[in-house]
Amino acid sequence: AQSVTQLDSHVSVSEGTPVLLRCNYSSSYSPSLFWYVQHPNKGLQLLLKYTSAATLVKGINGFEAEFKKSETSFHLTKPSAHMSDAAEYFCVVSLDNYGQNFVFGPGTRLSVLP
Amino acid sequence: GAGVSQSPRYKVTKRGQDVALRCDPISGHVSLYWYRQALGQGPEFLTYFNYEAQQDKSGLPNDRFSAERPEGSISTLTIQRTEQRDSAMYRCASRRLAGVSMSIADTQYFGPGTRLTVL
Repeated sequence: AQSVTQLDSHVSVSEGTPVLLRCNYSSSYSPSLFWYVQHPNKGLQLLLKYTSAATLVKGINGFEAEFKKSETSFHLTKPSAHMSDAAEYFCVVSLDNYGQNFVFGPGTRLSVLP
Repeated sequence: GAGVSQSPRYKVTKRGQDVALRCDPISGHVSLYWYRQALGQGPEFLTYFNYEAQQDKSGLPNDRFSAERPEGSISTLTIQRTEQRDSAMYRCASRRLAGVSMSIADTQYFGPGTRLTVL
């Protein structure tokens, strides 16, 4: 069965410092992996997606993630945090080869301190 | 263009009542998904449709939950005889295609959700 682990329920960084949100997955297949962001009282927004092309994926708002098969990881990074990055971040693995059914991780709340 | 919309945005109901939650997908999107998100948790898959056909309903927690998409566009998630444990955010998502896609655009786009509170 597929599953997603987000190792930190809460991450706090200072504005201008790097962001690292960790994600590990298990999947029977070569997975499709996603990061979504959820701002308070808003819908989920796609940040980036990995589908077995380049292992380093660039997304919106300066975020990127690197797929490491040997480590079964898909950590999300950003070189310099902005106050507007404060939100909940979900790592997602597709449940099958078709990218249809998603399994969401429990989420990591990112706080950005001035 | 317009995104996925859901109505109502907030619903408060008494235990035992039936509720119907509506999802309007992005126009032309083939696949439609329903998720439930409890407070502080990630969304949990409920069911999905390709066109009007319900492909997988394995995530529906029990037979009080049902969903339909009769014309392959708007979908309704119905919860009968609501219970307090049904209180959650219910999210809908739509996807342009069914099947394999490498494009970042061909992924699920989520609506704002309906927050259901059962008293």
